[in-house]
Amino acid sequence: NAGVTQTPKFQVLKTGQSMTLQCAQDMNHNSMYWYRQDPGMGLRLIYYSASEGTTDKGEVPNGYNVSRLNKREFSLRLESAAPSQTSVYFCASRPRAATNEKLFFGSGTQLSVL
Amino acid sequence: RKEVEQDPGPFNVPEGATVAFNCTYSNSASQSFFWYRQDCRKEPKLLMSVYSSGNEDGRFTAQLNRASQYISLLIRDSKLSDSATYLCVVTPNDMRFGAGTRLTVKP
Repeated sequence: NAGVTQTPKFQVLKTGQSMTLQCAQDMNHNSMYWYRQDPGMGLRLIYYSASEGTTDKGEVPNGYNVSRLNKREFSLRLESAAPSQTSVYFCASRPRAATNEKLFFGSGTQLSVL
Repeated sequence: RKEVEQDPGPFNVPEGATVAFNCTYSNSASQSFFWYRQDCRKEPKLLMSVYSSGNEDGRFTAQLNRASQYISLLIRDSKLSDSATYLCVVTPNDMRFGAGTRLTVKP
């Protein structure tokens, strides 16, 4: 059972380039999340999808777009990468929103924008 | 005001000490509360959920105070292996993390 799978694990971009971070879960979870974590800081929510077909902004959505492709997959796109988007990105899922159920995390993507 | 705020830390304590962290939240509609542990910027792992009546798991005790809108985590008899960053999480639908409190347990 793979859980939450993120790709790629590492990525270096030049300013202005675009890329998509992929996330897939095989646990039949309804809710999926994208976070970023900068050095010395906690996780900040970028976007989330409470259920298939819905997406909502989190704390720091500017510069990002998301797609809930199907129940399994939730991708994060940087249209024009900026150095301020250098960070570690975590995808997570859980069975349902608004419950006491825990998050399951992917292992993260280290992104550097030069 | 941030939605979720934690004690800034860092906390440096000797082995065997008791240490407590607090986390305040601003959204009174919050329904679910958790403490997560993170090691060296790896993915966070659930330490424990926080229930209304308070709950205990071995050396760890979590409390919720809805009137004052905060949760707490108490660690008794600290071990070297408890050294990590502790993150509180509060949610109605989205899962908002606090900035984390760094704990170092020293021999």
